[in-house]
Amino acid sequence: GAVVSQHPSWVICKSGTSVKIECRSLDFQATTMFWYRQFPKQSLMLMATSNEGSKATYEQGVEKDKFLINHASLTLSTLTVTSAHPEDSSFYICSATGTTGELFFGEGSRLTVL
Amino acid sequence: AQSVAQPEDQVNVAEGNPLTVKCTYSVSGNPYLFWYVQYPNRGLQFLLKYITGDNLVKGSYGFEAEFNKSQTSFHLKKPSALVSDSALYFCAVRDGPKAAGNKLTFGGGTRVLVKP
Repeated sequence: GAVVSQHPSWVICKSGTSVKIECRSLDFQATTMFWYRQFPKQSLMLMATSNEGSKATYEQGVEKDKFLINHASLTLSTLTVTSAHPEDSSFYICSATGTTGELFFGEGSRLTVL
Repeated sequence: AQSVAQPEDQVNVAEGNPLTVKCTYSVSGNPYLFWYVQYPNRGLQFLLKYITGDNLVKGSYGFEAEFNKSQTSFHLKKPSALVSDSALYFCAVRDGPKAAGNKLTFGGGTRVLVKP
C-alpha cells in the first residue's frame, strides 16, 4: 500500500528554537496533506490542510505564524514550529491523499521542547 | 458539521473474548466512516471503512464493523480478541465523498486492553 513517511520520528529542542518536520508521500502524488496534533491520551486535532502549490488552510485557533506549513511539491509537505516553547511539545501526525481519495497516515513525530 | 463520539475511554477484555468498541456519528449528508488503530508512538493504521453497500464491513486483522443508520452507529467488533489488539482505536467520519477536501473528524479514541 501507499506509504507516508515522517521525519524526524523524535526531536528534542531548546525553547526558542524552530523545528521542521517533513512529511513525504513515497509512492504517490499527494495533492492534499493534513497536519494533526495529538496530546497524550487524546484524539487527533486537525491543525491545517495543505494543497500543493497553495497556502495552507488553518483550523480555527491554530496560529499560522507559529506553525508554518509548506507544500512545495506533490510529495513533500513541511511543518515548522517556530520559536518553540514547552507547550508545543506534542505528537504531530501528517496524512496525505492523492487522486484515489484514499487517506494515508505518517508514523508521527514526537516533539519535546525543553 | 460532522462529529463522532466514542463513549468509552477504555475497554478491558480477556483474551479470546469478543471485543466491541462503540462509535456514534453525526453528519448532515451520507456518512463515510472509518476505523483506525494506533500503537504507542506510532501513526494511525487503517482498519476498515464504510462507504456504501453492505452494512457489515470486514477489515484488517479480523476486525469488522456494522453500520447502523437508524442508530447512527458504527461499532467495531472482533469475535476473539488477542493481547496484541491492545492499542488505541479511533473512529472517524467524513461527510460525503469529498467533504472539505477529504477532511476527517476523529472521535476521542478508545483504549483497548486485552488481558491474557
